[in-house]
Formats: sequence, structure tokens, C-alpha cells
Amino acid sequence: ETGVTQSPTHLIKTRGQQVTLRCSSQSGHNTVSWYQQALGQGPQFIFQYYREEENGRGNFPPRFSGLQFPNYSSELNVNALELDDSALYLCASSLGGTGTSQPQHFGDGTRLSIL
Amino acid sequence: SQQGEEDPQALSIQEGENATMNCSYKTSINNLQWYRQNSGRGLVHLILIRSNEREKHSGRLRVTLDTSKKSSSLLITASRAADTASYFCASAGGYQKVTFGIGTKLQVIP
Repeated sequence: ETGVTQSPTHLIKTRGQQVTLRCSSQSGHNTVSWYQQALGQGPQFIFQYYREEENGRGNFPPRFSGLQFPNYSSELNVNALELDDSALYLCASSLGGTGTSQPQHFGDGTRLSIL
Repeated sequence: SQQGEEDPQALSIQEGENATMNCSYKTSINNLQWYRQNSGRGLVHLILIRSNEREKHSGRLRVTLDTSKKSSSLLITASRAADTASYFCASAGGYQKVTFGIGTKLQVIP
């Protein structure tokens, strides 16, 4: 069973640039959620994709966008980067369609630093 | 914003002692989940307790849930140095919506 993998592991960008983060979900999982975790804080929900459709969004501006592909892998895109976007970005996969939240399996994240 | 809050925010104990962490949440839930995070790594799912359950065990872990008080606790018995990590509760309300608390940082001293 392949776990959740994220790439890249670290990334340094400057203000105003754009970034794409990638996530491969655990085999058999059809749902991917993205979280932003600032230093010393808990993960904050960005959005979730279920079978290639957005299935809920947290309190993040439209410059945070995403995609899910037919193989259930996913991308997180952030435009017009700001200093406050510096954080660990976590991807989690789970099995959706059950009507209730299931345990999520997390990748080790992408550490994004904005200069 | 974070829905839940863990208490205490930091806890330091000796190896072999028990560690208790508490969590409060604000809205009704379908289930509550506990996760562990080692420094710089992703979160690892520990245990899920449904809203109609009051207590659940898994190995050295014991979780309780009080929906009338909107609170949960995680007990780790006979702690080990390897238990050193941050622990988060996550309340699951609507379909696939999971909201994390701010975490408890546990240090187990050998």
C-alpha cells in the first residue's frame, strides 16, 4: 500500500510569485484535503476534493486554488504569494462517499518559505 | 480559525507516567479524531470516537468523549520517550469536514 506523498519537500519563493504543490493520495482513497499549518499552530483546512470536484472550502482567498486528477492525485496552487503564506502545507487522503468523516492519511508536507 | 482547543498546550512528564490531554470543540460532531505529529512531519491518525460513543481504547490510548460538554480527553498510559510529539484533536461535523485544534506538545523525559 502506497502512502501519501507530497512534492517538493521544501520550496523558497518571493512575494508575488506563484507556486504549485503536488500530492499523490494513498491507493484506494478518492478524497484529498489540503491544510496550511503555521509554526506552532494546528492545521487549517484549505479545501477538499472528492472525485475531482471541490467538496468544501475553508476561509482562504481565491488565490488558493486546486485540482484533483482522475487518479485522485491533487495540486494546490497559490498565486500572488504573500509573506504570511509561509507555512507547512499538508495533504491528506481519505475514503469519501461514506457520509461521515473518515481517518485521514497525511503526507509529510511541503515547507514553503516566502522571502 | 481553529474550532477546538487542547489543554494543556504543553506537557512534560517522566517516562512511565501517564499523560492526559483535553480537547474542547464548539459545534456538533459526527466523530472526533486524535492525531499525533512528530516535529516537521505529517500527522498520524491515532483513534476515532463516534458521537454516540463515550469511551474507546487502542493499545495504551484511551479516549473519552462528552458531547454534552463538547469535550474529549486522550490518555496515554505508561508513556515512552517515543511518545514525544504534538497531539491534535480534530472534530468532524459535516461530511468530510474536519477541524483541528491548536495541539498539545508532549515531552516525555527518559
